[in-house]
Amino acid sequence: QKEVEQDPGPLSVPEGAIVSLNCTYSNSAFQYFMWYRQYSRKGPELLMYTYSSGNKEDGRFTAQVDKSSKYISLFIRDSQPSDSATYLCAIGRNNQGGKLIFGQGTELSVKP
Amino acid sequence: NAGVTQTPKFQVLKTGQSMTLQCAQDMNHNSMYWYRQDPGMGLRLIYYSASEGTTDKGEVPNGYNVSRLNKREFSLRLESAAPSQTSVYFCASSFTGTDDSPLHFGNGTRLTVT
Repeated sequence: QKEVEQDPGPLSVPEGAIVSLNCTYSNSAFQYFMWYRQYSRKGPELLMYTYSSGNKEDGRFTAQVDKSSKYISLFIRDSQPSDSATYLCAIGRNNQGGKLIFGQGTELSVKP
Repeated sequence: NAGVTQTPKFQVLKTGQSMTLQCAQDMNHNSMYWYRQDPGMGLRLIYYSASEGTTDKGEVPNGYNVSRLNKREFSLRLESAAPSQTSVYFCASSFTGTDDSPLHFGNGTRLTVT
């Protein structure tokens, strides 16, 4: 079993839709959770970062973590064509020095 | 502000050839990383360097070597390329390599081994 599982999609939605992207992980030792966005032919860039269970908002983006279920989500409200990208979840353990475990990535397309 | 710069952007090798992928960062970061990205596999850590003068293996180190040349530069060498090493390679850096120090990625080197 992979340490983190992410539905690879692809996911296609109309502009303005609410998007839900999800990952599950297997080891409760993971303590912090990130979402990276990767545009075509580019490197990933950090979008959201959280340690704790619950919700964290940043503009149209909300990261949600449920440690009891080992489930993390990224919600995008009022999705825009510019949100079309691959979204990767990443998880890490304390004191592991940036050695993240990445999900496979979900390819999102937002149609005008 | 260049961030993390990788060269070359594209490369085609024949099986058995060698090459070095170059990475440099101008953010005064202490930690640097090499990842490979394959369809359906996500990003997997090859090697990392927590600080200048140190290197350690990641999840998939076989077939690769690294050199942390100085604080700015971290190179990845393929001594005898194999088709299984066809991938997109990303270099990343972080300020401290601790939990709250996000990774900054370059734009990748696309390598094909025939």
